[in-house]
Amino acid sequence: KQEVTQIPAALSVPEGENLVLNCSFTDSAIYNLQWFRQDPGKGLTSLLLIQSSQREQTSGRLNASLDKSSGRSTLYIAASQPGDSATYLCAVRGPNFNKFYFGSGTKLNVKP
Amino acid sequence: DADVTQTPRNRITKTGKRIMLECSQTKGHDRMYWYRQDPGLGLRLIYYSFDVKDINKGEISDGYSVSRQAQAKFSLSLESAIPNQTALYFCATSDLSGQGGYNEQFFGPGTRLTVL
Repeated sequence: KQEVTQIPAALSVPEGENLVLNCSFTDSAIYNLQWFRQDPGKGLTSLLLIQSSQREQTSGRLNASLDKSSGRSTLYIAASQPGDSATYLCAVRGPNFNKFYFGSGTKLNVKP
Repeated sequence: DADVTQTPRNRITKTGKRIMLECSQTKGHDRMYWYRQDPGLGLRLIYYSFDVKDINKGEISDGYSVSRQAQAKFSLSLESAIPNQTALYFCATSDLSGQGGYNEQFFGPGTRLTVL
């Protein structure tokens, strides 16, 4: 069974810092990987989707990379802002095409 | 208007009661999912449906049932609620070629269910 791990569980940084969130998965036979943001009491907002054939995706200050062979993905946030404070979740699709597997998230706090 | 809506947003009920959570979407997606989220456990898939006639069990389907009334509607039922079903429940949709990429998932705002 696919297992997804996110380390650290929580991270606190001062405003303006660049930071990296990590996601690892045990089975490299994935179809894609998606990064989400979750604000307290709210749903999940999709940030970036990386197909299995891609190495990275970028959106604004966010850059996500994927290394299937090592079972790792990173989410890079440049010039962090207090509004970036949220829980970040990664999810992989596969190896079973019909299944999504989520990590338990990294709770980010960006201090003003 | 939100693309994926869930009702109710909050519900408190008692052990043994039957509960239905509803999900509607205006994205035109064929695929719909129900997840539950528990602290420290991430999201776990309960049921998913790839079209109106296709229903599949997910990782933790025991104690739950679903109904796909239409392409846009997917309901989750707890036939006899128990306290360990207290959780945050999310509905999600995806499509083969939807905006944003292949099989990107879009989530509703969630339903917070408490079973006393």
